[in-house]
Amino acid sequence: SQQGEEDPQALSIQEGENATMNCSYKTSINNLQWYRQNSGRGLVHLILIRSNEREKHSGRLRVTLDTSKKSSSLLITASRAADTASYFCATAATGGFKTIFGAGTRLFVKA
Amino acid sequence: DTEVTQTPKHLVMGMTNKKSLKCEQHMGHRAMYWYKQKAKKPPELMFVYSYEKLSINESVPSRFSPECPNSSLLNLHLHALQPEDSALYLCASSQERLWAGRTNTEAFFGQGTRLTVV
Repeated sequence: SQQGEEDPQALSIQEGENATMNCSYKTSINNLQWYRQNSGRGLVHLILIRSNEREKHSGRLRVTLDTSKKSSSLLITASRAADTASYFCATAATGGFKTIFGAGTRLFVKA
Repeated sequence: DTEVTQTPKHLVMGMTNKKSLKCEQHMGHRAMYWYKQKAKKPPELMFVYSYEKLSINESVPSRFSPECPNSSLLNLHLHALQPEDSALYLCASSQERLWAGRTNTEAFFGQGTRLTVV
């Protein structure tokens, strides 16, 4: 099965609320990345966290990584309607050359 | 310039047609990728080019033929496709082939070509 699995599959929240998405993976990784995709368009890189990092921030985004549980979470604080998109985690296994995307979480932020 | 440009944005082709998808970047990236994405699914890697040489082919059917004429361009030639090949085709580039493998670099994606095979 896929390297990265995400939950929830879909998330609907009100503007101003926080959104949390989770990603689990199966093998050892070098790093984990989060991407955003609007309506079947191209993917936009959000944040990269290395395997020796536990937490990283970028604006309203907070990413955590727990290598012992092989999981990561993406928190979007004070969400906006414009945050409505699909969010994917992407992992590259240690020693591997390919990046595999998780199934993705579809986020709906209602104004 | 941090853009990856893909053309065309939309393409409708018959099963007997031959067409090509094009991808261009001017960031000096030496690795370029083709991904296929079906609706509500994650992108799936098809091909990786590193320094203009094909380095990964994910067992893609021969009706898809990639080409890298130079370090800025990547093409995907299509021939005798099937309706199930209809999808969003995404091109990406990164500084080097070991993107997210041993190096910690991000990939830049184009907006994709929406392909419909009829």
